Amino acid sequence: DAGVIQSPRHEVTEMGQEVTLRCKPISGHNSLFWYRQTMMRGLELLIYFNNNVPIDDSGMPEDRFSAKMPNASFSTLKIQPSEPRDSAVYFCASSLGQQPQHFGDGTRLSIL
Amino acid sequence: AQSVTQLGSHVSVSEGALVLLRCNYSSSVPPYLFWYVQYPNQGLQLLLKYTTGATLVKGINGFEAEFKKSETSFHLTKPSAHMSDAAEYFCAVKGKAGTALIFGKGTTLSVSS
Repeated sequence: DAGVIQSPRHEVTEMGQEVTLRCKPISGHNSLFWYRQTMMRGLELLIYFNNNVPIDDSGMPEDRFSAKMPNASFSTLKIQPSEPRDSAVYFCASSLGQQPQHFGDGTRLSIL
Repeated sequence: AQSVTQLGSHVSVSEGALVLLRCNYSSSVPPYLFWYVQYPNQGLQLLLKYTTGATLVKGINGFEAEFKKSETSFHLTKPSAHMSDAAEYFCAVKGKAGTALIFGKGTTLSVSS
């Protein structure tokens, strides 16, 4: 079975550039989650969707961050403009109902 | 609201020794509890979960955890550590359906020979 697929795996870009992270959840899963992991703050929930609808975006740091889920098989997390403090590993996860979340391998983002 | 506290950010054991990683939770509803493991440069992998029923839960790689409601704990154990167990371990809690996991800050397990 294909797991959660994230792209790109690594992204290095300069401050001020737009960054788009992509996620394909497991087929049939109806919830999708975006997390950010840093040494200082650990794993933070940014936003999650149920049935393609954003439910809780209280973890989104600021207006520079936005997330969309146009259909059940695709989601994006966009940062515009990017800043060095956005450097982190970003994980996407998906689940069905009360079943455990399955995580992708993450996108390691470096903003120079 | 749910929250998770993992006691000890770093635990070191010798190969063959008992592994004990501590997790306490807070939840306003009957919790669903999880342990995940993260190896370097990888995503999180589910070790085990507690939903309802038997309070002693067995997972992969010889790990198990016991749900103790009276102590609001869900500690992770393994009788005999192996070098390959060295990783970061996360405890997580979930409330009602459709909500997100809330993770603890993680415990790094080191195993020495």
